[in-house]
Amino acid sequence: GAVVSQHPSWVICKSGTSVKIECRSLDFQATTMFWYRQFPKQSLMLMATSNEGSKATYEQGVEKDKFLINHASLTLSTLTVTSAHPEDSSFYICSGRGGPGELFFGEGSRLTVL
Amino acid sequence: DQQVKQNSPSLSVQEGRISILNCDYTNSMFDYFLWYKKYPAEGPTFLISISSIKDKNEDGRFTVFLNKSAKHLSLHIVPSQPGDSAVYFCAPTRDSNYQLIWGAGTKLIIKP
Repeated sequence: GAVVSQHPSWVICKSGTSVKIECRSLDFQATTMFWYRQFPKQSLMLMATSNEGSKATYEQGVEKDKFLINHASLTLSTLTVTSAHPEDSSFYICSGRGGPGELFFGEGSRLTVL
Repeated sequence: DQQVKQNSPSLSVQEGRISILNCDYTNSMFDYFLWYKKYPAEGPTFLISISSIKDKNEDGRFTVFLNKSAKHLSLHIVPSQPGDSAVYFCAPTRDSNYQLIWGAGTKLIIKP
């Protein structure tokens, strides 16, 4: 199946710093990528939909100035958590849309903000 | 407003037996239903799906049943294996825009 790669898989940063997470579709072109966040023992929460070459669409309650999403090419979308705080510590997952009904997920990135 | 409900947070099944995971939804506009499997600290992996025009889809040990009138679907795993221990998410889509609406997940534990 298609492969989506996320990097880094785990990052620890100090409060107030910014962290960038990359999501790459390795063997297919993803015009649309989705970013999710998962809290412990909870479901995946869709944060935003990223379309190549245009602005991301954010879900209600997600701060677009805090979670910057860039989808500059058909194979790369990035999520930057700006001025991270401990409450931003979470597991972030991206997915890329392949064919009809197909979504391929990255391995996830665990962010720990000290 | 919870559009997708997986009412069993966890399920424990003996190895070799059948595992049945349930999912209820409220939105009649859902037209495609997907099941994902997730191990801790990993991204979800696609397991099996069903279109709203069907009532059953089978793939090896996995079978998904859809009851549109009851707005209910279920995932059957038979026989259950230790490697099936994971969290299973039911995720319907609407308007074919591939934005999945996620259930809370059911943690399946297969006992040896």
